[in-house]
Amino acid sequence: AQTVTQSQPEMSVQEAETVTLSCTYDTSESDYYLFWYKQPPSRQMILVIRQEAYKQQNATENRFSVNFQKAAKSFSLKISDSQLGDAAMYFCASADSNYQLIWGAGTKLIIKP
Amino acid sequence: EAQVTQNPRYLITVTGKKLTVTCSQNMNHEYMSWYRQDPGLGLRQIYYSMNVEVTDKGDVPEGYKVSRKEKRNFPLILESPSPNQTSLYFCASSSTITDIYNEQFFGPGTRLTVL
Repeated sequence: AQTVTQSQPEMSVQEAETVTLSCTYDTSESDYYLFWYKQPPSRQMILVIRQEAYKQQNATENRFSVNFQKAAKSFSLKISDSQLGDAAMYFCASADSNYQLIWGAGTKLIIKP
Repeated sequence: EAQVTQNPRYLITVTGKKLTVTCSQNMNHEYMSWYRQDPGLGLRQIYYSMNVEVTDKGDVPEGYKVSRKEKRNFPLILESPSPNQTSLYFCASSSTITDIYNEQFFGPGTRLTVL
């Protein structure tokens, strides 16, 4: 069975600095997808970035990038130039061939002005 | 505007009183899903639907029912709510089931409290 672990319940970062959120996962499959979703105080879940496991290149979306280490089953999210609007819960999730997303417990990100 | 809507946004009820949380999407999506979010547990899937009249259980279906009579609507029914169903509920949709590998679109959430 798939599992997704986010070991950091809460992280804080100074505005304009860089922060990395950790995620590890476990799956027996060789082909799968990984996601980071953001949940701001409004509660609306928004996709931040996704990674296809067969692609070695790390995904990047503007200030958001991932460090995908397939052998270590690690999928961390790096946020550069942190902004106040980045304050949110961040969820890591994985999806395998069963079309099911397995979610981590979330990391609350606090941005200090 | 493409969106997933849920109603109500907040609901406080008592044990045993049947309730329905509505979910509607205007994107003509085939795939819809219900999740519950609990602290320390992330999101867990309750039920999903691949198309009209096609529904299936997720990880935590006990105590819930769903129906999919129209493509746009996917209501979640709690026939006899209990306090352990106090949670934050999300409806989500994607064009097809395989599009969950790209992105799911989420509703704003329903905060349910069962006393």
